[in-house]
Amino acid sequence: AQTVTQSQPEMSVQEAETVTLSCTYDTSESDYYLFWYKQPPSRQMILVIRQEAYKQQNATENRFSVNFQKAAKSFSLKISDSQLGDAAMYFCAYRSGGDFNKFYFGSGTKLNVKP
Amino acid sequence: GAVVSQHPSWVICKSGTSVKIECRSLDFQATTMFWYRQFPKQSLMLMATSNEGSKATYEQGVEKDKFLINHASLTLSTLTVTSAHPEDSSFYICSARAAGSTEAFFGQGTRLTVV
Repeated sequence: AQTVTQSQPEMSVQEAETVTLSCTYDTSESDYYLFWYKQPPSRQMILVIRQEAYKQQNATENRFSVNFQKAAKSFSLKISDSQLGDAAMYFCAYRSGGDFNKFYFGSGTKLNVKP
Repeated sequence: GAVVSQHPSWVICKSGTSVKIECRSLDFQATTMFWYRQFPKQSLMLMATSNEGSKATYEQGVEKDKFLINHASLTLSTLTVTSAHPEDSSFYICSARAAGSTEAFFGQGTRLTVV
């Protein structure tokens, strides 16, 4: 089975600074999708960014970007110009390309943003 | 993005009673719905996957007779916690996926407290 590992249980960043959250995954598949979700205190899961494994170009969404290293099976999230509203739990997730119902979450990283 | 509505947002019930949680896809047909349980400061734990019109597939260790899942239509899935006990108190989240889509959308979650 695929596994998703987030090795940083908690991180802190100063407002307006940049922070990178790490995620590694283990898979034997060549076709898959990677996601970062944000879960604020309201606990609503919000999709931050997604990456298709077949795309070499790293995905970006405004202040959020990823560093996708397919060979290393690494998928880190960079948040630039951190804002207080970015404080949340962040989950890395993997979806199989062969079976869209196979969806795995990492253990999460709690991000604190200091004013 | 697509909207998934989960109801109720929170519920308190007495030990021994049953409680039903609804998950509705408001603007798309959800051929597959997922039910998760989340303990404080932990990741989402998949409980079961349900396809419209079929019996749900439960993850190992999840009691199917205790957590009844019904996915009777393409827009509604329900999770019924039967004979609830305090240890069933948790945060339950549903997500829904349309046929052929790699993305699943999440409900806002239900906080269940059994007293």
